[in-house]
Amino acid sequence: QITLKESGPTLVKPTQTLTLTCTFSGFSLSTSGVGVGWIRQPPGKALEWLALIYWDDDKRYSPSLKSRLTITKDTSKNQVVLTMTNMDPVDTATYYCAHSLGDYWGQGTLVTVSS
Amino acid sequence: QSALTQPASVSGSPGQSITISCTGTSSDVGGYNYVSWYQQHPGKAPKLMIYDVSNRPSGVSNRFSGSKSGNTASLTISGLQAEDEADYYCSSYTSSSTPYVFGTGTKVTVL
Repeated sequence: QITLKESGPTLVKPTQTLTLTCTFSGFSLSTSGVGVGWIRQPPGKALEWLALIYWDDDKRYSPSLKSRLTITKDTSKNQVVLTMTNMDPVDTATYYCAHSLGDYWGQGTLVTVSS
Repeated sequence: QSALTQPASVSGSPGQSITISCTGTSSDVGGYNYVSWYQQHPGKAPKLMIYDVSNRPSGVSNRFSGSKSGNTASLTISGLQAEDEADYYCSSYTSSSTPYVFGTGTKVTVL
């Protein structure tokens, strides 16, 4: 059974750095072809792909956010970490992690950016 | 990277069929057979309904079907049911660095 779960702060201040962790089970990020991605959804708005990391450490980023994002993996812990710098109120959203095939998603975590 | 274009809303009566379009470019929808469709109920995570243009994951009703022509993909829901009322998003592989892009989303209302 594949599961993913996001964890991290629910409230961050403007200009701070957000660090989110995706802890997964039921698959391995050392298996060829496997990846884990991060997606966000502002309240009442559409989904947006942020970043994706593959088994071979290939990393892909949204062009519009690339300068602010870093995605890393810890295969031994079954975790993927996303950091986003210089947070702004417009970054308030539910952040999801998902298997790269899109077939399994975490429940999402709402991050609010406010002073 | 621009989002794929979907109609903001589509509605239909129970039992009817509706179709949601998803328009992209030759760099995404038109260039690859990697279009997916997601259903999202309020407060819930998206659920994969269609992958690789027209394939259904195990457990998804055969009332949901997908197709593609040129730069436009489509999701058809036949025999519309009250439980189908939700937001629907398409997604496509893209030649950009992302490497996926979502659609703008469509709210389906069952009248």
